Amino acid sequence: QKEVEQNSGPLSVPEGAIASLNCTYSDRGSQSFFWYRQYSGKSPELIMSIYSNGDKEDGRFTAQLNKASQYVSLLIRDSQPSDSATYLCAVNRPQGAQKLVFGQGTRLTINP
Amino acid sequence: GAVVSQHPSWVICKSGTSVKIECRSLDFQATTMFWYRQFPKQSLMLMATSNEGSKATYEQGVEKDKFLINHASLTLSTLTVTSAHPEDSSFYICSARAPAGGTTEAFFGQGTRLTVV
Repeated sequence: QKEVEQNSGPLSVPEGAIASLNCTYSDRGSQSFFWYRQYSGKSPELIMSIYSNGDKEDGRFTAQLNKASQYVSLLIRDSQPSDSATYLCAVNRPQGAQKLVFGQGTRLTINP
Repeated sequence: GAVVSQHPSWVICKSGTSVKIECRSLDFQATTMFWYRQFPKQSLMLMATSNEGSKATYEQGVEKDKFLINHASLTLSTLTVTSAHPEDSSFYICSARAPAGGTTEAFFGQGTRLTVV
């Protein structure tokens, strides 16, 4: 089982709709969860971090965490073409230097 | 967010030569930096953890004698790809942790695209 799993997509969403991205993780001891956006040929950019169960909202983005189900998601409201990118879910390994482990990423396309 | 600068952004080298990539934290001190490699259409794979003032720790399967890491100061880590071969061509990205309210968030450099010919 992979440490962090995402649906690789591609996921296509019409402009203005809600895009929903999902991620599961295997280590129950993980405490920190992140969503990164990566445009083609660029390095990842941090969008959201979440550390406790429930929802966390920041502008058009909402991260949701359910530690019991080992599940974290990202919702993008009012999707824009500029949101088209690969979204990477990352989870802290709870031991040692707290390394970030990434999922394979979900490629999202927003259709005008 | 915190700024991490990586240099160069791209490099082409001949097979058998060595290439050094620098990663700097510009507005914070980073005792730990991480080096990742990303092949096309794949996710980031952690290569090693760079620790200031001590030896780096490498992930399983990463050759420490081929990928030399030096973290000589709190703001600079370097990755040297020695005796590069075409299969080392990849996108190399560093990250550094910046404390945020007791829980650290990772910020990434711009990445270095290495092409070995």
